[in-house]
Amino acid sequence: LAKTTQPVSMDSYEGQEVNITCSHNNIATNDYITWYQQFPSQGPRFIIQGYKTKVTNEVASLFIPADRKSSTLSLPRVSLSDTAVYYCLVGDQGGSYIPTFGRGTSLIVHP
Amino acid sequence: DADVTQTPRNRITKTGKRIMLECSQTKGHDRMYWYRQDPGLGLRLIYYSFDVKDINKGEISDGYSVSRQAQAKFSLSLESAIPNQTALYFCATSDPTGTPQETQYFGPGTRLLVL
Repeated sequence: LAKTTQPVSMDSYEGQEVNITCSHNNIATNDYITWYQQFPSQGPRFIIQGYKTKVTNEVASLFIPADRKSSTLSLPRVSLSDTAVYYCLVGDQGGSYIPTFGRGTSLIVHP
Repeated sequence: DADVTQTPRNRITKTGKRIMLECSQTKGHDRMYWYRQDPGLGLRLIYYSFDVKDINKGEISDGYSVSRQAQAKFSLSLESAIPNQTALYFCATSDPTGTPQETQYFGPGTRLLVL
């Protein structure tokens, strides 16, 4: 199971772009990269998933370099409501995949 | 209506009591999970079930047991509650054939306080 490493915390200000990088050096060929967002006292919710290159949706973008040993979640023009914990998960979806959440990255957006 | 529901939402109990936390889902997913979250920590997996006949221990199963009564229901029991089981408990479901792949859907959580 690929282990992930991400910063424990980050601070930003409203309107800025935030990039959170996750390292997963032993990612396997069939592994996907998935990011979740968790607000206080709520369960995590899916943000974005990717396998390679770039994925974009209405919430965020996910950049994955060719070697796939890291990935970067990009949140454009954050607002106070983006204050949350962000988790990076890596695994071979389906089959015997067991989702493993680490401590995530606590993002605080300041006015 | 919420796809994944948990009851109760809050519970206060005393040391030594047996309690049950219930989870129901209307998503039709075979896979269900129980996690606990402590302040400042991530989610830790307690038990998971890939289908009605499949139950597996997670990383912190000691002191807990589960029952998968049906595809839609997955209950977590604390046989004899202790104070360090005070935490926020989440139930989740997933579909290995869905898109995006294996996305988890979480319930609203149950806040448990053991005195």
